[in-house]
Amino acid sequence: AQSVTQLGSHVSVSEGALVLLRCNYSSSVPPYLFWYVQYPNQGLQLLLKYTSAATLVKGINGFEAEFKKSETSFHLTKPSAHMSDAAEYFCAVRLPFGNEKLTFGTGTRLTIIP
Amino acid sequence: DGGITQSPKYLFRKEGQNVTLSCEQNLNHDAMYWYRQDPGQGLRLIYYSQIVNDFQKGDIAEGYSVSREKKESFPLTVTSAQKNPTAFYLCASEGRDSSQSNQPQHFGDGTRLSIL
Repeated sequence: AQSVTQLGSHVSVSEGALVLLRCNYSSSVPPYLFWYVQYPNQGLQLLLKYTSAATLVKGINGFEAEFKKSETSFHLTKPSAHMSDAAEYFCAVRLPFGNEKLTFGTGTRLTIIP
Repeated sequence: DGGITQSPKYLFRKEGQNVTLSCEQNLNHDAMYWYRQDPGQGLRLIYYSQIVNDFQKGDIAEGYSVSREKKESFPLTVTSAQKNPTAFYLCASEGRDSSQSNQPQHFGDGTRLSIL
């Protein structure tokens, strides 16, 4: 079974600083990977996804993530944090076969310090 | 605009009462999902449906029931057997070929259920 681990349930960065949110996966084969963002009392919005094409994936709002098979990682980064980035971020994994379920990490709450 | 509508936004349940959460989508998606979200636990799958008139249990189905009579609708009933129903419930849908799993899920804005 696949799983995903998000290191750090809370991350704080200063406005303008680098954002790095960590995600490591466990899977029997290279999986599909997703990052979602959730603002308070809202649903999840897709930031980006990796589906076995380019290993560096660019998403919305200036975020990007790199799939590293050797490290089983899919960390989310943004060069310069903005106040509007404050939210909860979820990494999710799915096996690359039909009818597989999506498995979510426990989330990382990002706080931006003015 | 196409999307997923969940209602109500907030819901209160009395002891011993069943309540039904609504989820409607106009994205023409075949698959629909219900998740429960608790602080620090991420999202856990309750039920999912890949086609009309068919659905499967997820990881935490006990105390819940669903139906899928129409492609657009996937209501979730929280029964009195669910002893700890207080949570944020999210509905999602997905348009996918049965041979692929690379499509993202689209989410509604959730229903927050509380016990009176």
